Amino acid sequence: GAVVSQHPSWVICKSGTSVKIECRSLDFQATTMFWYRQFPKQSLMLMATSNEGSKATYEQGVEKDKFLINHASLTLSTLTVTSAHPEDSSFYICSADTGLAGRDWNEQFFGPGTRLTVL
Amino acid sequence: RKEVEQDPGPFNVPEGATVAFNCTYSNSASQSFFWYRQDCRKEPKLLMSVYSSGNEDGRFTAQLNRASQYISLLIRDSKLSDSATYLCVVTNTGGFKTIFGAGTRLFVKA
Repeated sequence: GAVVSQHPSWVICKSGTSVKIECRSLDFQATTMFWYRQFPKQSLMLMATSNEGSKATYEQGVEKDKFLINHASLTLSTLTVTSAHPEDSSFYICSADTGLAGRDWNEQFFGPGTRLTVL
Repeated sequence: RKEVEQDPGPFNVPEGATVAFNCTYSNSASQSFFWYRQDCRKEPKLLMSVYSSGNEDGRFTAQLNRASQYISLLIRDSKLSDSATYLCVVTNTGGFKTIFGAGTRLFVKA
């Protein structure tokens, strides 16, 4: 199956710093990538949809100036948590859509996630 | 009301037991349905798609009831390795929005 990688897998940072998380599709091109956040014992929550070459679409309640998304190529999307605070500590997961033509829905392949802890 | 709701769990069952999970969704226009499995601190992985006609994959059987807007997952002959969180996932076409349920935790004990 298709492989999606994330880097770093975990990060600990001080409050006020910015953290960049990379999401890469390793063996396929992903026109669309998704960023999710998961707090302990809660569901995955979609933060934004990232389309290559255009601005990301953010879900209601997600601050676009705080969570900067850049989808610079068909294999790379980055999420930057700016001025991170302890409440931003969470598990961030990206997924990539294979974008196969002619299908109502394409399976999303998930990255392994990045655990962010803000002190 | 949440768009996708699941049994709260956790389910604690012995090896060999049969266990069933239910999931309800609120958007009648929802188009695609899936069960994902998520192990602790890992990413979700697709377990199976869910069709109106029902589908089976080994010990796993998934059912969709559009009239009642619910999805079910049945696991027969539970194994220790089935211990995980099972996520009900609903996708709306057009908007291409994927909604995850909160997940149901399953613990299978020897």
